[in-house]
Amino acid sequence: GEDVEQSLFLSVREGDSSVINCTYTDSSSTYLYWYKQEPGAGLQLLTYIFSNMDMKQDQRLTVLLNKKDKHLSLRIADTQTGDSAIYFCAERNFGNEKLTFGTGTRLTIIP
Amino acid sequence: ETGVTQTPRHLVMGMTNKKSLKCEQHLGHNAMYWYKQSAKKPLELMFVYNFKEQTENNSVPSRFSPECPNSSHLFLHLHTLQPEDSALYLCASSEAPGLAGGNEQFFGPGTRLTVL
Repeated sequence: GEDVEQSLFLSVREGDSSVINCTYTDSSSTYLYWYKQEPGAGLQLLTYIFSNMDMKQDQRLTVLLNKKDKHLSLRIADTQTGDSAIYFCAERNFGNEKLTFGTGTRLTIIP
Repeated sequence: ETGVTQTPRHLVMGMTNKKSLKCEQHLGHNAMYWYKQSAKKPLELMFVYNFKEQTENNSVPSRFSPECPNSSHLFLHLHTLQPEDSALYLCASSEAPGLAGGNEQFFGPGTRLTVL
Protein backbone atom coordinates (compact mmCIF):
# COMPACT_ATOMS: atom_id res chain seq x y z
CA GLY A 1 0.00 0.00 0.00
CA GLU A 2 0.92 3.64 -0.05
CA ASP A 3 3.41 4.92 2.49
CA VAL A 4 4.48 8.48 3.21
CA GLU A 5 7.43 9.19 5.48
CA GLN A 6 8.71 12.31 7.19
CA SER A 7 11.18 13.17 9.92
CA LEU A 8 9.40 13.88 13.20
CA PHE A 9 11.28 17.00 14.25
CA LEU A 10 13.09 20.01 12.75
CA SER A 11 14.56 23.03 14.53
CA VAL A 12 15.49 26.20 12.65
CA ARG A 13 16.71 29.62 13.71
CA GLU A 14 14.38 32.53 13.11
CA GLY A 15 15.17 34.16 9.76
CA ASP A 16 16.79 31.05 8.28
CA SER A 17 15.17 28.80 5.68
CA SER A 18 13.38 25.64 6.77
CA VAL A 19 13.38 22.58 4.54
CA ILE A 20 10.93 19.82 5.39
CA ASN A 21 11.34 16.57 3.49
CA CYS A 22 8.94 13.78 2.60
CA THR A 23 9.25 10.51 0.71
CA TYR A 24 6.41 8.46 -0.71
CA THR A 25 6.15 5.04 -2.27
CA ASP A 26 3.18 5.20 -4.64
CA SER A 27 4.52 5.96 -8.10
CA SER A 28 1.02 6.70 -9.34
CA SER A 29 0.56 9.56 -6.90
CA THR A 30 -0.97 12.43 -8.82
CA TYR A 31 -1.29 15.18 -6.25
CA LEU A 32 1.09 15.90 -3.39
CA TYR A 33 0.11 18.24 -0.59
CA TRP A 34 1.57 20.13 2.32
CA TYR A 35 -0.69 20.82 5.29
CA LYS A 36 0.08 22.86 8.40
CA GLN A 37 -1.37 22.14 11.84
CA GLU A 38 -1.02 24.71 14.59
CA PRO A 39 -1.64 23.75 18.24
CA GLY A 40 -5.30 23.05 18.95
CA ALA A 41 -6.31 23.50 15.33
CA GLY A 42 -7.18 21.36 12.35
CA LEU A 43 -5.05 20.95 9.26
CA GLN A 44 -4.70 23.90 6.91
CA LEU A 45 -3.74 23.30 3.28
CA LEU A 46 -0.62 25.29 2.44
CA THR A 47 0.00 24.23 -1.11
CA TYR A 48 -0.14 21.28 -3.47
CA ILE A 49 1.72 20.20 -6.57
CA PHE A 50 0.60 18.13 -9.51
CA SER A 51 2.91 15.27 -10.39
CA ASN A 52 3.81 16.68 -13.80
CA MET A 53 5.44 19.67 -12.13
CA ASP A 54 8.80 19.74 -10.43
CA MET A 55 8.55 23.05 -8.64
CA LYS A 56 5.92 25.40 -7.33
CA GLN A 57 6.52 28.70 -5.55
CA ASP A 58 4.04 30.71 -3.52
CA GLN A 59 5.46 33.68 -1.63
CA ARG A 60 7.76 32.25 1.07
CA LEU A 61 6.93 28.66 0.20
CA THR A 62 8.73 26.58 -2.42
CA VAL A 63 7.75 23.00 -3.18
CA LEU A 64 10.20 20.75 -5.00
CA LEU A 65 9.20 17.38 -6.42
CA ASN A 66 11.68 14.73 -7.54
CA LYS A 67 9.37 12.17 -9.08
CA LYS A 68 12.17 9.75 -9.91
CA ASP A 69 13.24 9.53 -6.27
CA LYS A 70 9.65 10.01 -4.96
CA HIS A 71 10.87 12.89 -2.83
CA LEU A 72 8.94 16.02 -1.97
CA SER A 73 10.23 19.01 -0.02
CA LEU A 74 8.79 22.21 1.39
CA ARG A 75 11.10 25.18 1.81
CA ILE A 76 9.97 28.07 3.99
CA ALA A 77 12.08 31.17 3.43
CA ASP A 78 12.78 33.64 6.25
CA THR A 79 11.20 31.38 8.88
CA GLN A 80 9.17 33.24 11.50
CA THR A 81 7.87 32.27 14.94
CA GLY A 82 4.40 31.96 13.43
CA ASP A 83 5.66 29.12 11.27
CA SER A 84 5.96 26.90 14.37
CA ALA A 85 3.59 24.01 13.68
CA ILE A 86 3.40 20.43 12.50
CA TYR A 87 3.71 20.06 8.74
CA PHE A 88 2.10 17.08 7.02
CA CYS A 89 2.92 15.73 3.62
CA ALA A 90 0.09 13.86 1.85
CA GLU A 91 -0.49 12.20 -1.50
CA ARG A 92 -3.54 11.29 -3.57
CA ASN A 93 -4.25 9.58 -6.86
CA PHE A 94 -6.43 11.28 -9.46
CA GLY A 95 -10.05 10.18 -9.16
CA ASN A 96 -9.53 8.87 -5.63
CA GLU A 97 -10.61 10.96 -2.68
CA LYS A 98 -8.34 9.15 -0.22
CA LEU A 99 -5.36 11.12 1.08
CA THR A 100 -2.42 9.26 2.57
CA PHE A 101 -0.61 11.35 5.18
CA GLY A 102 2.85 11.20 6.66
CA THR A 103 3.46 11.32 10.42
CA GLY A 104 4.06 15.07 10.31
CA THR A 105 7.22 17.11 11.05
CA ARG A 106 7.16 19.36 14.09
CA LEU A 107 8.95 22.60 13.18
CA THR A 108 10.42 24.52 16.11
CA ILE A 109 11.76 28.04 15.65
CA ILE A 110 14.79 29.06 17.71
CA PRO A 111 14.83 32.80 18.50
CA GLU B 1 -20.23 30.17 10.70
CA THR B 2 -17.70 29.49 7.99
CA GLY B 3 -15.59 26.54 6.96
CA VAL B 4 -15.80 23.28 8.88
CA THR B 5 -16.94 23.25 12.49
CA GLN B 6 -16.80 20.42 15.00
CA THR B 7 -18.47 19.96 18.36
CA PRO B 8 -17.61 19.32 21.06
CA ARG B 9 -13.99 20.45 21.00
CA HIS B 10 -13.14 18.28 24.01
CA LEU B 11 -14.87 15.12 25.28
CA VAL B 12 -14.09 12.83 28.18
CA MET B 13 -16.08 9.63 28.36
CA GLY B 14 -16.07 6.31 30.18
CA MET B 15 -15.86 3.01 28.37
CA THR B 16 -19.55 2.32 28.90
CA ASN B 17 -20.79 5.72 27.71
CA LYS B 18 -22.43 6.56 24.40
CA LYS B 19 -21.58 9.90 22.84
CA SER B 20 -21.63 11.54 19.43
CA LEU B 21 -19.27 13.87 17.60
CA LYS B 22 -20.72 16.39 15.18
CA CYS B 23 -19.25 17.99 12.10
CA GLU B 24 -20.81 20.66 9.91
CA GLN B 25 -19.44 22.19 6.74
CA HIS B 26 -20.58 25.51 5.28
CA LEU B 27 -18.64 25.23 2.02
CA GLY B 28 -21.19 23.56 -0.23
CA HIS B 29 -19.03 20.46 -0.52
CA ASN B 30 -20.28 16.98 -1.35
CA ALA B 31 -17.68 14.79 0.32
CA MET B 32 -17.01 14.50 4.06
CA TYR B 33 -14.39 12.55 5.99
CA TRP B 34 -13.54 11.35 9.49
CA TYR B 35 -9.89 11.01 10.46
CA LYS B 36 -8.22 9.82 13.65
CA GLN B 37 -5.03 11.56 14.75
CA SER B 38 -2.93 9.80 17.39
CA ALA B 39 0.42 10.95 18.70
CA LYS B 40 3.38 10.14 16.46
CA LYS B 41 1.21 8.25 13.94
CA PRO B 42 0.04 9.31 10.48
CA LEU B 43 -3.49 10.58 10.18
CA GLU B 44 -5.77 7.58 9.76
CA LEU B 45 -8.69 7.91 7.39
CA MET B 46 -11.74 6.30 9.00
CA PHE B 47 -14.74 7.00 6.78
CA VAL B 48 -15.59 8.82 3.55
CA TYR B 49 -19.04 9.96 2.47
CA ASN B 50 -19.84 11.22 -1.01
CA PHE B 51 -23.27 12.73 -1.59
CA LYS B 52 -24.39 11.18 1.75
CA GLU B 53 -23.30 7.69 0.74
CA GLN B 54 -20.47 5.93 2.55
CA THR B 55 -17.73 5.11 0.05
CA GLU B 56 -14.92 4.15 2.36
CA ASN B 57 -14.72 2.32 5.68
CA ASN B 58 -11.08 1.85 6.51
CA SER B 59 -11.55 -1.29 8.65
CA VAL B 60 -12.87 0.78 11.53
CA PRO B 61 -14.22 -1.14 14.58
CA SER B 62 -17.99 -1.20 14.88
CA ARG B 63 -17.84 0.77 18.13
CA PHE B 64 -17.47 3.77 15.79
CA SER B 65 -20.66 4.38 13.81
CA PRO B 66 -20.83 7.23 11.29
CA GLU B 67 -23.96 8.94 10.08
CA CYS B 68 -24.34 11.43 7.24
CA PRO B 69 -27.92 12.75 7.08
CA ASN B 70 -27.08 15.32 4.40
CA SER B 71 -24.06 16.71 2.58
CA SER B 72 -23.46 19.36 5.23
CA HIS B 73 -23.54 17.24 8.38
CA LEU B 74 -21.52 14.26 9.55
CA PHE B 75 -21.74 12.48 12.88
CA LEU B 76 -19.59 9.89 14.57
CA HIS B 77 -21.48 7.86 17.18
CA LEU B 78 -19.30 6.32 19.85
CA HIS B 79 -20.12 3.43 22.18
CA THR B 80 -18.12 1.08 24.40
CA LEU B 81 -14.84 2.70 23.43
CA GLN B 82 -11.43 1.65 24.70
CA PRO B 83 -8.69 3.85 26.20
CA GLU B 84 -6.62 3.37 23.04
CA ASP B 85 -9.37 5.18 21.13
CA SER B 86 -8.30 8.40 22.84
CA ALA B 87 -7.16 10.73 20.05
CA LEU B 88 -7.99 13.85 18.11
CA TYR B 89 -10.84 13.17 15.69
CA LEU B 90 -10.79 15.41 12.65
CA CYS B 91 -13.54 16.03 10.17
CA ALA B 92 -12.87 17.30 6.66
CA SER B 93 -14.85 18.13 3.55
CA SER B 94 -14.10 18.58 -0.13
CA GLU B 95 -15.81 18.95 -3.46
CA ALA B 96 -16.82 15.75 -5.21
CA PRO B 97 -13.76 13.57 -5.73
CA GLY B 98 -12.32 12.79 -9.08
CA LEU B 99 -12.53 16.33 -10.30
CA ALA B 100 -9.56 17.90 -11.99
CA GLY B 101 -7.60 20.11 -9.69
CA GLY B 102 -6.36 19.68 -6.17
CA ASN B 103 -9.70 18.68 -4.65
CA GLU B 104 -8.32 19.99 -1.41
CA GLN B 105 -9.79 18.85 1.86
CA PHE B 106 -10.75 21.50 4.39
CA PHE B 107 -10.39 20.39 7.99
CA GLY B 108 -12.26 21.25 11.14
CA PRO B 109 -10.43 21.96 14.42
CA GLY B 110 -11.06 18.46 15.74
CA THR B 111 -12.54 16.91 18.86
CA ARG B 112 -10.02 15.86 21.50
CA LEU B 113 -11.44 12.60 22.89
CA THR B 114 -10.26 11.00 26.11
CA VAL B 115 -11.59 7.56 27.05
CA LEU B 116 -11.16 6.66 30.70
